Amino acid sequence: GQQVMQIPQYQHVQEGEDFTTYCNSSTTLSNIQWYKQRPGGHPVFLIQLVKSGEVKKQKRLTFQFGEAKKNSSLHITATQTTDVGTYFCAGGNSGNTPLVFGKGTRLSVIA
Amino acid sequence: EAQVTQNPRYLITVTGKKLTVTCSQNMNHEYMSWYRQDPGLGLRQIYYSMNVEVTDKGDVPEGYKVSRKEKRNFPLILESPSPNQTSLYFCASRRQEYYEQYFGPGTRLTVT
Repeated sequence: GQQVMQIPQYQHVQEGEDFTTYCNSSTTLSNIQWYKQRPGGHPVFLIQLVKSGEVKKQKRLTFQFGEAKKNSSLHITATQTTDVGTYFCAGGNSGNTPLVFGKGTRLSVIA
Repeated sequence: EAQVTQNPRYLITVTGKKLTVTCSQNMNHEYMSWYRQDPGLGLRQIYYSMNVEVTDKGDVPEGYKVSRKEKRNFPLILESPSPNQTSLYFCASRRQEYYEQYFGPGTRLTVT
């Protein structure tokens, strides 16, 4: 079945450093979503990308969808302590097929 | 306020004692699903439902049952819980035509 691999599993950064997490799918996706889960919380939707090569920004967060629609990345510029949490990507296909989640990248920010 | 609610939030039970975790959403979403989250394994889908009376297995359905008799509710049933079902469970819902999912607060289940 479809697999979505996400790296790295953990990332520790100093506050102010940049952070990137990468997502790779074994198959071509129709869309990809990104979620953030704060410690002790539940996943919260951040964004969805649907177009080949799409780039979207949310303040310090930049999301990219690869040209082949098989990979994606989330980049955070100048991390802050509020960025702490686990970031998940989730690959979607057309129709009602379920999302396939990556295992997530846990980000720690050292003040 | 638009939300997904789950009850209970925490549950400690013993092997073999049937339990139900309720999930309810007030957004009139057609699609609902259950996930379990385990360290190092991420979110794995247990069951999902595309609408009332329509349910299907996800990646890890063994040992679980669901029902969807009403659009707003999607309970998760463990007929005979075992220790390997100790986990953090999330219910989620979304509109049929959108992939953005709304997650409930989670239910932490411990089976001894």
